[in-house]
Amino acid sequence: QKEVEQNSGPLSVPEGAIASLNCTYSDRVSQSFFWYRQYSGKSPELIMSIYSNGDKEDGRFTAQLNKASQYVSLLIRDSQPSDSATYLCAGIIQGAQKLVFGQGTRLTINP
Amino acid sequence: EPEVTQTPSHQVTQMGQEVILRCVPISNHLYFYWYRQILGQKVEFLVSFYNNEISEKSEIFDDQFSVERPDGSNFTLKIRSTKLEDSAMYFCASGAGGTYGYTFGSGTRLTVV
Repeated sequence: QKEVEQNSGPLSVPEGAIASLNCTYSDRVSQSFFWYRQYSGKSPELIMSIYSNGDKEDGRFTAQLNKASQYVSLLIRDSQPSDSATYLCAGIIQGAQKLVFGQGTRLTINP
Repeated sequence: EPEVTQTPSHQVTQMGQEVILRCVPISNHLYFYWYRQILGQKVEFLVSFYNNEISEKSEIFDDQFSVERPDGSNFTLKIRSTKLEDSAMYFCASGAGGTYGYTFGSGTRLTVV
């Protein structure tokens, strides 16, 4: 099993709707998870981190962590065209200072 | 907001040449990283550096690669005898350690011709 797995998409969502992005992880990954946003040709930008089971909200973004299912998700409410980007799920390898990424989900918000 | 600075933004080199990619991490961060992203592919870990030595490296990070922190601010990635398949975006990142996320620089696009 890959350490962090994402559906590569593309995911297309109408403007104003909720975009839902999902990620699973293996036993090798610790309980610290991050969502990065990457615009085409740009570097990853940290948008959310989550460490505890449950939900964490920051503005229009909500990260969800389910440790029992080894599942992380990101919800984007009131999606805007500027949210169109690739979203990268990442986790830290247990016992190592090493952040590993999923392959990213390409999200397109349609006006 | 503090940022990670990378230079150059774009480097074109001939196959077989050596290149040095430079990074200035965030000043109070203790952990430094290099990542690579080949066009259209995932962001891949290359190496982590802490306390003036390599703490982790991937199987990609072979003898062709080396890292150095020559002074208190710069962090460099040297690629010897470049190959066509080394063409990629190279990202430097720094972190405070523990469970905190990493901050990425804007990247160096390396093109080997």
